[in-house]
Amino acid sequence: AQSVAQPEDQVNVAEGNPLTVKCTYSVSGNPYLFWYVQYPNRGLQFLLKYITGDNLVKGSYGFEAEFNKSQTSFHLKKPSALVSDSALYFCAAMDTGRRALTFGSGTRLQVQP
Amino acid sequence: NAGVTQTPKFRILKIGQSMTLQCTQDMNHNYMYWYRQDPGMGLKLIYYSVGAGITDKGEVPNGYNVSRSTTEDFPLRLELAAPSQTSVYFCASSYEGADYGYTFGSGTRLTVV
Repeated sequence: AQSVAQPEDQVNVAEGNPLTVKCTYSVSGNPYLFWYVQYPNRGLQFLLKYITGDNLVKGSYGFEAEFNKSQTSFHLKKPSALVSDSALYFCAAMDTGRRALTFGSGTRLQVQP
Repeated sequence: NAGVTQTPKFRILKIGQSMTLQCTQDMNHNYMYWYRQDPGMGLKLIYYSVGAGITDKGEVPNGYNVSRSTTEDFPLRLELAAPSQTSVYFCASSYEGADYGYTFGSGTRLTVV
C-alpha cells in the first residue's frame, strides 16, 4: 500500500525568509505527487503537481516543489514567505488503481510578521 | 460556476441517528470522492465513484453508504451514527482522476453525541 509522510506537524518561519515543508512518499510505480493548501474552514485548494518531467515544479502563489526520486521526497518550497501563507499544507500521492489521492497528515505553516 | 457544493455545513447527530450528506458538482466531472478529515490524521478516503452507477470502497467505508445515480450528485449516507464518525467530511470531484487535480467542496462538520 502506498503512503505519504509529512514529518513536521508545524513549521514556523519569519516573513521574508525561505520556507520548506517536507514530504516523503512510498508508492509502487511512477509517483504522481501533489500539494494542497487548506485555509481555516475551507476545502483544500490545489497548489501544484508532479507527473513527469522537470524535478522542480512551479505552482500557485509562488510555491514550488522539488521532486527527488532517490530520496523519495517531494518538498514544498517558497523563496520568501508571506504572513498570508499561514495555512495547513497537505502532500498527496495518487493511487493509480483507484485514481484517488492518498494524503499525508498535514503540516501547519505559521509565518510570523 | 458553483463547483462542488456540500450541504449541510454543520450538523449534530445523536448516537444511532441517520443522515445523508449531500454533494453536487456542476463541472461534468466523472470522478467523485468522499473523504473524512480527523485532526492530525490527514484525509482518509471513504468511497469514490468513477461515473454514474459505479461506486467503490476506499480506506474507511464501514458505517457509510453511497450512491451515484447522476453525474452531478454523490450523496453519503450515515446509518446508525457513532461518536467515531465525528469528523469533517469533504466531497471532491475530478475530470478524469486525481492526476488532473481535485476540486473540493467546503466541507461538512459533523458531531455525533
